Amino acid sequence: DAKTTQPNSMESNEEEPVHLPCNHSTISGTDYIHWYRQLPSQGPEYVIHGLTSNVNNRMASLAIAEDRKSSTLILHRATLRDAAVYYCILCLYTGTASKLTFGTGTRLQVTL
Amino acid sequence: NAGVTQTPKFRILKIGQSMTLQCTQDMNHNYMYWYRQDPGMGLKLIYYSVGAGITDKGEVPNGYNVSRSTTEDFPLRLELAAPSQTSVYFCASSKGQGNQPQHFGDGTRLSIL
Repeated sequence: DAKTTQPNSMESNEEEPVHLPCNHSTISGTDYIHWYRQLPSQGPEYVIHGLTSNVNNRMASLAIAEDRKSSTLILHRATLRDAAVYYCILCLYTGTASKLTFGTGTRLQVTL
Repeated sequence: NAGVTQTPKFRILKIGQSMTLQCTQDMNHNYMYWYRQDPGMGLKLIYYSVGAGITDKGEVPNGYNVSRSTTEDFPLRLELAAPSQTSVYFCASSKGQGNQPQHFGDGTRLSIL
């Protein structure tokens, strides 16, 4: 399965933008790039996903490199509630179901 | 909206005991999944189902069984609990494949002593 590489942790000040990087150099042409986040003592929460083009939603933006070997999750204005572990995941479609393979993610700390 | 509901939230088992973790979703999703998360680690897929009556193994299926008799429910069965199964278990569902997000429950924290 294709793997992703993320920094273990990052810090941000509140109200500032945050750019969370992810490398996925072995991505295949049919893998979707998904981002989830997990707040303490909760289940993962879907953030955003994309295939080739950049994507925006109410939570974040996803910038995908032209060669698709890396991507960046952008939180435009970090708040204390955004402190979580962020997972960059390649969604593998097997022909019968899609499987998410979670790594250890990036722990984002947000300070005042 | 309830989404994905897991019960119980916490449970302590003795070695060798059996139990069933319950998962139900009210979104009419065909796809359902069971994951486990060990401390400090990401989630690992145990079993998944693409519809009622259809289940398949994920990355770490040993020691677990599942069934899918209805679209809504996807219980996970531990037959002979072992300390290595101490973990947090998450159930998820999705509408479809690939480009569809998965919706997760709040988890069941299971300790086996």
